[in-house]
Amino acid sequence: DTGVSQNPRHKITKRGQNVTFRCDPISEHNRLYWYRQTLGQGPEFLTYFQNEAQLEKSRLLSDRFSAERPKGSFSTLEIQRTEQGDSAMYLCASSIGRGMVTEAFFGQGTRLTVV
Amino acid sequence: AQSVTQLGSHVSVSEGALVLLRCNYSSSVPPYLFWYVQYPNQGLQLLLKYTSAATLVKGINGFEAEFKKSETSFHLTKPSAHMSDAAEYFCAVTAGGTSYGKLTFGQGTILTVHP
Repeated sequence: DTGVSQNPRHKITKRGQNVTFRCDPISEHNRLYWYRQTLGQGPEFLTYFQNEAQLEKSRLLSDRFSAERPKGSFSTLEIQRTEQGDSAMYLCASSIGRGMVTEAFFGQGTRLTVV
Repeated sequence: AQSVTQLGSHVSVSEGALVLLRCNYSSSVPPYLFWYVQYPNQGLQLLLKYTSAATLVKGINGFEAEFKKSETSFHLTKPSAHMSDAAEYFCAVTAGGTSYGKLTFGQGTILTVHP
């Protein structure tokens, strides 16, 4: 078990560019969550998947954001036409969601800086 | 709806002193409560969790927390602070069932430990 893996760890992009982040959850975990954390704040829920199904999206997830988990394994979070306000740490977490539901285990995050 | 309030964005203690980090929650359903720790530029690590079993919960690194329904509190304590405890701490709440794992976080408390 190597834990939740996120790539890249850091991303600097120019305003208006598209960016994509990847999350590889713990292998037996069928639930996957995305959170966003801005400086000095706690993480805020964005969306979550059970297997390949996206079950809930926060109002924070504007039309420029899209998340996928095509085969129920890894997930990608894409931000189109980035804005400076998108600068944040994007955290991925996973948990077991069948039978006994476990707590969420977090990856180390992807820090996005939009310049 | 659920929410978490962490009283005190910064707490400073001397090495060997008692650590007390305060967390109050609001939940319309029986809550599940967590404390996470975050080191700079890292993801979140679970310290402990309350899942409706024992009200006094022991976690890693000597931390513990007590669930008090009458006070809607879940304060985190450690009898003797260590320099390595310096980090940011987040209290989080979730509901049970299908929402378990979708966390609502507090604003965080930065703990500083002085020699």
